[in-house]
Amino acid sequence: SQQGEEDPQALSIQEGENATMNCSYKTSINNLQWYRQNSGRGLVHLILIRSNEREKHSGRLRVTLDTSKKSSSLLITASRAADTASYFCATASSSNTGKLIFGQGTTLQVKP
Amino acid sequence: DAGVTQSPTHLIKTRGQQVTLRCSPKSGHDTVSWYQQALGQGPQFIFQYYEEEERQRGNFPDRFSGHQFPNYSSELNVNALLLGDSALYLCASSFLSGKSGEQYFGPGTRLTVT
Repeated sequence: SQQGEEDPQALSIQEGENATMNCSYKTSINNLQWYRQNSGRGLVHLILIRSNEREKHSGRLRVTLDTSKKSSSLLITASRAADTASYFCATASSSNTGKLIFGQGTTLQVKP
Repeated sequence: DAGVTQSPTHLIKTRGQQVTLRCSPKSGHDTVSWYQQALGQGPQFIFQYYEEEERQRGNFPDRFSGHQFPNYSSELNVNALLLGDSALYLCASSFLSGKSGEQYFGPGTRLTVT
């Protein structure tokens, strides 16, 4: 079963715009991770945020975590056509950090 | 430094057959996890291997089994294939004692059951 839900399911923007994706989850977590997947291939790890962190940055990526609302958001600034992909959030629970539970994903299309 | 590798890339099998998928973890990693990703869905955890033993398992039937070798590489075996087993199978490696918790994924094996 899927742990979380991602919103929106699909997002289409112009190059240069910002893209925001949201993820909600159900149980207590140790950490939350964001992955990117191009055309049904392998997942690329983007960023990990721990349950005691509220915000994290990596290049053009900004992730926030609100454990009281059990939600996270991924912001991609100044998007590029190469950012076109599916984005997944995955949670590792407090009691079981080895098992990642993924959301359904957000499909992002960045138009040149 | 080689990342996670998987073989084969694509595979077509007939219902009822058996299949074996292979995974080599990233250098320095000792733990391998397997995930199944149906079309349009997020990956679902099958099981995880560490020290050649199944450490934990997701909600998959016993038709799904695995193995980890002394060099940390791993195999996923699926018996009595069903049409519903058609999916992308992803292998992920990690360092069990690592603090980061990150898992590194391979490119996947696309299995089609006809």
